Amino acid sequence: DQQVKQNSPSLSVQEGRISILNCDYTNSMFDYFLWYKKYPAEGPTFLISISSIKDKNEDGRFTVFLNKSAKHLSLHIVPSQPGDSAVYFCAASIVNSGNTPLVFGKGTRLSVIA
Amino acid sequence: DGGITQSPKYLFRKEGQNVTLSCEQNLNHDAMYWYRQDPGQGLRLIYYSQIVNDFQKGDIAEGYSVSREKKESFPLTVTSAQKNPTAFYLCASNSISGNTIYFGEGSWLTVV
Repeated sequence: DQQVKQNSPSLSVQEGRISILNCDYTNSMFDYFLWYKKYPAEGPTFLISISSIKDKNEDGRFTVFLNKSAKHLSLHIVPSQPGDSAVYFCAASIVNSGNTPLVFGKGTRLSVIA
Repeated sequence: DGGITQSPKYLFRKEGQNVTLSCEQNLNHDAMYWYRQDPGQGLRLIYYSQIVNDFQKGDIAEGYSVSREKKESFPLTVTSAQKNPTAFYLCASNSISGNTIYFGEGSWLTVV
């Protein structure tokens, strides 16, 4: 039973355009969400996070939006660059219960085409 | 340099053998984790430990064992009971007060 779902296995975007990666979750107890970026044969690197008390968090070209009522979050990358090509994982945890381990989605492979 | 070190990067194992993957961190993090990545499966939690001498099973603990004798070390043993051990293994850690976990570079295990 997947608690965190990334329904798009892959996404292709032109360089300079916006990339939108989506993530849905089923557990309403989740209160902290993160996005990680992963290159092949490397460990994931932390990208950006958002607490459930917010609906938006921005860091440079990366913005995460949270819609709690829909149990949906998205990562926007603007403008997209070829170096953004990687697999992006959405993750969630329950911080208020003492930091439960992160639950990850299956990932979305982003290809930014020059 | 501060970080999480996994070794070896590549490991080949014959069927029926146990192997141990090393994970060391010098970040003074309290909690450590082992995840496994398979194609199309995302990251699945094997075991985690929030304090020394204590650890908890994750979603796919069968065929694996761990120990946490020191705060900085969390080795993972892949036993012969693990039916499909070929995968990319990732160790991670965080402080109890922190919400973000940080990963090592990963270890490839191949059964031959």
